[in-house]
Amino acid sequence: DIVMTQSPDSLAVSLGERATINCKSSQSVLYSSNNKNYLAWYQQKPGQPPQLLIYWASTRESGVPDRFSGSGSGTDFTLTISSLQAEDVAVYYCQHYYSTHPTFGQGTKVEMK
Amino acid sequence: QVQLVESGGGVVQPGRSLRLSCAASGFTFSTYVMHWVRQAPGKGPEWVAVISVDGSTKYYADSVKERFTVSRDNSKNTLFLQMNSLRAGDTAVYYCARQYINSHEYYFDYWGQGILVTVSS
Repeated sequence: DIVMTQSPDSLAVSLGERATINCKSSQSVLYSSNNKNYLAWYQQKPGQPPQLLIYWASTRESGVPDRFSGSGSGTDFTLTISSLQAEDVAVYYCQHYYSTHPTFGQGTKVEMK
Repeated sequence: QVQLVESGGGVVQPGRSLRLSCAASGFTFSTYVMHWVRQAPGKGPEWVAVISVDGSTKYYADSVKERFTVSRDNSKNTLFLQMNSLRAGDTAVYYCARQYINSHEYYFDYWGQGILVTVSS
């Protein structure tokens, strides 16, 4: 199985500042035939299920604020929150769907400084 | 609105069985691929199983293969997970999740609230 590794495990960001989360896959999740990266990002708040933010590495799900953006290709990906809001405090997970055995990262906890 | 409601969880002894259900509403259940995903306390989610729209195709994580069985009843809009030979490592919150609309890929646009399964003597 592809192993997804996120960094850092946690970070504290001031209100209105930028938060950057990294995700690295143990093998490329870029499918050459369609040039798409099979990578999604989720947000999970305490006591709630994960919520889809981004898929195809950079496509925002409907209703997701545009302060959330995804980038990267191949094995290295980034989720950026351009201006952290109080409601963004949560754990964020990356997930590949390159194979029929999708796997998630261990999570990055974003807190308010 | 889309709703997924899991039931059937609880505390069970190692080696015993449990059957989870997921009642779906607010969408045409029979046209969606469905998944089970679990999350152990303090850990990231772990994909468990997938079932095709007609139930003919199923895949499992290696960690549950030959112990867990996914099934569905489209007439009752319900997804199931039969869990046998349960181990302590199966302790987790179990979510049913809908595969993203019009996608052949395994990412998920709706999740249930989850149900806790605790395997302990």
